[in-house]
Amino acid sequence: QVQLVQSGAEVKKPGASVKVSCKTSGYKFTSYYVHWVRQAPGLGLEWMGVINPSTGDTTYSETFQDRVTMTRDTSTGTVYMEVSSLRSDDTATYYCARSLVITPQDYWGQGTLVSVSS
Amino acid sequence: QSALTQPASVSGSPGQSITISCTGTSSDIGAYDYVSWYQQHPAKAPKLIIFDVSDRPSGVSNRFSGSKSGNTASLAISGLQPEDEADYYCSSYKASNTVLFGGGTRLTVL
Repeated sequence: QVQLVQSGAEVKKPGASVKVSCKTSGYKFTSYYVHWVRQAPGLGLEWMGVINPSTGDTTYSETFQDRVTMTRDTSTGTVYMEVSSLRSDDTATYYCARSLVITPQDYWGQGTLVSVSS
Repeated sequence: QSALTQPASVSGSPGQSITISCTGTSSDIGAYDYVSWYQQHPAKAPKLIIFDVSDRPSGVSNRFSGSKSGNTASLAISGLQPEDEADYYCSSYKASNTVLFGGGTRLTVL
């Protein structure tokens, strides 16, 4: 069955970086895009960007393009998302999700809580 | 990038029908038939319930339906059930491989 399993919760200080992983299984890794979507506590979904695991090509939201890097490891079927220069308002649950074409996202990871606090 | 506009909340009684709107622009909802809707229960990941404006994934109840007119998409839920109480998000493709989400609508089943 299709699964996207994310790494565990993180606690970071302002100015630090965080790298979250999303390990996929149950489908051909290079045939589906992988997106990252974040959700601040009590707020809505915010699209961060997408990676094409076949080529490594990425598209980032204008909001995040200066601080986010998405990469993939085709040998393990894992996608990574790194956010740099963390601020307190980056505290959120970060989700990975796959899509056959750019939209819709049909399977989602369980989410990773990243807390940023001094 | 501005989010799509949804009402903050809607409510209905069991058995009733409700509609949630999602307003975008001629650059997103109005330009593409790639509108999706997601249901999210507390502390859970979003679940896809409508894609490509009006298609339902396998296993999603036919009580959920989607439509679009101009720059506005809508999600209708008929025969409300207690388990429908959740947050609902619309999403649209926007040019250059980007995606927009709506701000979310909390559905309360009274």
